[in-house]
Amino acid sequence: DTGVSQDPRHKITKRGQNVTFRCDPISEHNRLYWYRQTLGQGPEFLTYFQNEAQLEKSRLLSDRFSAERPKGSFSTLEIQRTEQGDSAMYLCASSPGTSGGAYHNEQFFGPGTRLTVL
Amino acid sequence: KNEVEQSPQNLTAQEGEFITINCSYSVGISALHWLQQHPGGGIVSLFMLSSGKKKHGRLIATINIQEKHSSLHITASHPRDSAVYICAVRSGSRLTFGEGTQLTVNP
Repeated sequence: DTGVSQDPRHKITKRGQNVTFRCDPISEHNRLYWYRQTLGQGPEFLTYFQNEAQLEKSRLLSDRFSAERPKGSFSTLEIQRTEQGDSAMYLCASSPGTSGGAYHNEQFFGPGTRLTVL
Repeated sequence: KNEVEQSPQNLTAQEGEFITINCSYSVGISALHWLQQHPGGGIVSLFMLSSGKKKHGRLIATINIQEKHSSLHITASHPRDSAVYICAVRSGSRLTFGEGTQLTVNP
């Protein structure tokens, strides 16, 4: 399967614990995006990377959240000291970015990681 | 007021009916996306358009840039079309999403 993959698919944790999610984009996609989606709502932008550079962060990304893409391939999203309000689906997407012709901005989504904070 | 508004929020149809989902936005955009989300979370891109009309199978998407409005049409709807349909607008590299329309097509 050459699509975007995310791990784990589900995570249940206790309030105050740290969690880390991983996203593997489509190979050779330069751009990688993180979104958060709560029940009944559309996704909300969190942050995005162009290769290993984090180019934009939403105000939603508090100090407890950190994202990395150290080698410009996979990315991790860490949430420290989780709170119940962090319970959501965390979606990752990738796009070709500066390559790929006319469709370079189309984003391909992973299956998401559903986080439940008890 | 949200930057991207969809209507209706929920839509129930009988198999075979023609379906329209509307999206209005209030910001300048470079493109508009229609996405489909099935239970469990997976999102599939249906269309990306910046003008005019696109067609893929039974799906048609239109956009009117002057009126800041887009529609997604499904012809001859089928129960397998049941899903959440999400409109998203792109400004720069960021996507801003509507809240989605839950479509249920009954046999």
